[in-house]
Amino acid sequence: AQTVTQSQPEMSVQEAETVTLSCTYDTSESDYYLFWYKQPPSRQMILVIRQEAYKQQNATENRFSVNFQKAAKSFSLKISDSQLGDAAMYFCAYDNNDMRFGAGTRLTVKP
Amino acid sequence: EAGVAQSPRYKIIEKRQSVAFWCNPISGHATLYWYQQILGQGPKLLIQFQNNGVVDDSQLPKDRFSAERLKGVDSTLKIQPAKLEDSAVYLCASSLETGAKSGANVLTFGAGSRLTVL
Repeated sequence: AQTVTQSQPEMSVQEAETVTLSCTYDTSESDYYLFWYKQPPSRQMILVIRQEAYKQQNATENRFSVNFQKAAKSFSLKISDSQLGDAAMYFCAYDNNDMRFGAGTRLTVKP
Repeated sequence: EAGVAQSPRYKIIEKRQSVAFWCNPISGHATLYWYQQILGQGPKLLIQFQNNGVVDDSQLPKDRFSAERLKGVDSTLKIQPAKLEDSAVYLCASSLETGAKSGANVLTFGAGSRLTVL
């Protein structure tokens, strides 16, 4: 079974600074999708960014970008110019016909 | 568009009682998922439906959990009898099927149903 590992249970960042959240995964597949989801306190999980494994170019969504290293099975999320509203649990997820999530990283943003 | 609706939002029961959660996905979404999220952990897939057929239920504890998606729209997840370790948030999500692999689709999550088993 595919596994997703987030080695940082908690991270903190100063407002306006940059932070990187780590994620590694294990799979024998060559074609799959990777996601970062955000879950604010007591609110719904929402998609932050998505990466197709067959694309070498790293996905970018405004202040959010990923560093996808397929050979290393690594998929980190970089948040630039951090804002107070970025504070949340962040989940890395792997999908090849069923979505598997990591344990999450709690991000705190300090004003 | 309306989001994924779930009810109830909160439920407290005693162990060995039964509980049922309901989910109404986004209109037109063929795929529906139930996840269990225990406090401090990531969501764990319990069951995935494609229309009204089961795609994956390998992690569903079938001795006590059951789920159905009649008519390929709404879904119900039932736990009977509940155990203390079932205390969690039960998340429902749905997605469109636009390709051979469901990973091409983005999941839209509901707000979740928080279960406390005493």
